[in-house]
Amino acid sequence: GAGVSQSPSNKVTEKGKDVELRCDPISGHTALYWYRQSLGQGLEFLIYFQGNSAPDKSGLPSDRFSAERTGGSVSTLTIQRTQQEDSAVYLCASSSIGAAGRNNEQFFGPGTRLTVL
Amino acid sequence: AQSVTQLGSHVSVSEGALVLLRCNYSSSVPPYLFWYVQYPNQGLQLLLKYTSAATLVKGINGFEAEIKKSETSFHLTKPSAHMSDAAEYFCAVGGSARQLTFGSGTQLTVLP
Repeated sequence: GAGVSQSPSNKVTEKGKDVELRCDPISGHTALYWYRQSLGQGLEFLIYFQGNSAPDKSGLPSDRFSAERTGGSVSTLTIQRTQQEDSAVYLCASSSIGAAGRNNEQFFGPGTRLTVL
Repeated sequence: AQSVTQLGSHVSVSEGALVLLRCNYSSSVPPYLFWYVQYPNQGLQLLLKYTSAATLVKGINGFEAEIKKSETSFHLTKPSAHMSDAAEYFCAVGGSARQLTFGSGTQLTVLP
């Protein structure tokens, strides 16, 4: 089927506004990840969802960031009161989890480029 | 926590020359290791992954990587560079934690 899709592809917002970024994972993938790719920071993990388990939020940089995953499929990453340092490409990935519970290949979406003015 | 270090943020090679992108991991026990490629304005695409089945892993587009436990290295190679190989390459490690930890990336330039 189709790969991971993300929307919007680009988002420009003003400092202090809230933004929502959407991710549609590959159908049947139970695991979903959000990463942030910033200039000079590389790729950093934000949050991980696996089935109905409580998400791993250990990578969220502040309480302005939150994410939810509805029905075990689509996920929304919300950034409240955006700051200029939030400007980055936000990448979503999904994967299936093998019988041993180990990482299987993560399939990445094209990302959302967020610019905070 | 496990980590990977990529040596060289920029590498330039001539078309037809050997490509060597370096990655070292921190764990004493080889974890799950991955190489991803990112073309401009695109997401990451898996090139290959090491899962302990074999020390030499072959991936897509003619790339391969060999794990050397004595050196804790997982360098990416390709015998002959092509212009289409120009991209950013990321080494990543995945272990008990589900998420991947990425290296800082290496930008590969292929010169005509």
